Amino acid sequence: NAGVTQTPKFRILKIGQSMTLQCTQDMNHNYMYWYRQDPGMGLKLIYYSVGAGITDKGEVPNGYNVSRSTTEDFPLRLELAAPSQTSVYFCASSSTVTNQPQHFGDGTRLSIL
Amino acid sequence: AQTVTQSQPEMSVQEAETVTLSCTYDTSESDYYLFWYKQPPSRQMILVIRQEAYKQQNATENRFSVNFQKAAKSFSLKISDSQLGDAAMYFCAYRSPNRDDKIIFGKGTRLHILP
Repeated sequence: NAGVTQTPKFRILKIGQSMTLQCTQDMNHNYMYWYRQDPGMGLKLIYYSVGAGITDKGEVPNGYNVSRSTTEDFPLRLELAAPSQTSVYFCASSSTVTNQPQHFGDGTRLSIL
Repeated sequence: AQTVTQSQPEMSVQEAETVTLSCTYDTSESDYYLFWYKQPPSRQMILVIRQEAYKQQNATENRFSVNFQKAAKSFSLKISDSQLGDAAMYFCAYRSPNRDDKIIFGKGTRLHILP
C-alpha cells in the first residue's frame, strides 16, 4: 500500500523562485491537509480540503496556494519563495470515518536560500 | 473551538523505565476521538494509539497505554520498559465527530531515552 506519497523529498530553492509540492493518496480519502513543521516545533496547518473542488485556509496560508481537482491529488504551490518558508512540509489524508486517524506522507524538506 | 495542550516540551527517561506524557484538551463535545503520534528523527508520523471517547476502557498497544480521564479531559500516554527506539517527538491529537472539522494537534513533547 502506497498510502500518502509526497514528492520531492528534498529541494533547495532560491529566493523568489516558485515550485509545487506534490501529494497523492491512494486510499480514496476525502480529506487532505498540508502542514509545515519548523525545526523542533509542532505542526502548523497551511491548507486543507474536504473533497475535490473544496479547499480552505488553515493557520498559516500566506505565501501558499492549493488546488484539489481530484480526490487523489492535493498539490501545494509556493509562489515567490522566501527564507521564512524553509521548513519540512507534510501532506496528510483522512477518511470521513471520524474514528480513523490521519495518514501522513514522509515529508518534503525545503530550503530557501 | 477545541484545543489540545501538551504541557511538557521535553522529557527524559532511563532506558527500561516507565514514562508518562501528558495531554489535556478542551471541548464541549461528548463524543470524539483521541490519538497519539510518534515522530522519530526520520520525521515520519507514526500512529501509536487511539481512543474513542465513548469507550471507558483505556487503549493499550504492547508497551504503550493511555490513561483516559474524560471528566478531567486528560489523555496521557504511558510508555513501559522504555527503549532507545522510543526517542521521538510525541504529538497528541483530537478529532471531532463532525466530519468536516480539522484534526487538532498539540505542540508535542520531545522524549529522550537515557542509556
